[in-house]
Amino acid sequence: IAGITQAPTSQILAAGRRMTLRCTQDMRHNAMYWYRQDLGLGLRLIHYSNTAGTTGKGEVPDGYSVSRANTDDFPLTLASAVPSQTSVYFCASSRQGIRQYFGPGTRLTVL
Amino acid sequence: DAKTTQPPSMDCAEGRAANLPCNHSTISGNEYVYWYRQIHSQGPQYIIHGLKNNETNEMASLIITEDRKSSTLILPHATLRDTAVYYCIVRVLTGTASKLTFGTGTRLQVML
Repeated sequence: IAGITQAPTSQILAAGRRMTLRCTQDMRHNAMYWYRQDLGLGLRLIHYSNTAGTTGKGEVPDGYSVSRANTDDFPLTLASAVPSQTSVYFCASSRQGIRQYFGPGTRLTVL
Repeated sequence: DAKTTQPPSMDCAEGRAANLPCNHSTISGNEYVYWYRQIHSQGPQYIIHGLKNNETNEMASLIITEDRKSSTLILPHATLRDTAVYYCIVRVLTGTASKLTFGTGTRLQVML
């Protein structure tokens, strides 16, 4: 069982470019989340999804969009990347709201 | 959600118990206390959670005061691999997505 996988592991991106971070889970969890973590700080929630077909905004949603077409996948898209979106991005999932399982993260640098 | 307060850093000798405190004086009756940890550059890892009774699992023990205004995470025999940032989070347990709020946590350094 892989748990949660994220791709890519790291990426350097020019400002203004579009980028999609991928997240896949094989635990059949209903809920999924995207967080960002800036250097030296705690995680902040970007978007979440209670179940396939639904999404919601977290603490810092501006500049990001998500979709949840099925249970397993929860991609995060930056439509036009800016340097302030340089961060480490973590995807997570949970069965209902009890315990979240996190992926290994994607390190994104926007120049 | 109730706000939590944790010391920014702590040291612990290997093999000794690590006791990590957390204050959550504004906690409400239906809010649980969760603990996660984050080992350098990895995704956070769930440790334990509880409502009002003390809890123990294979990783740690959670002691919640009777008034529920504070709690302590105990790692009974800390090892070097327990060096990490530990986050105390207070949240209502729901049947849907749980939007956790991570603060800056406590950086635990386990030393030889």
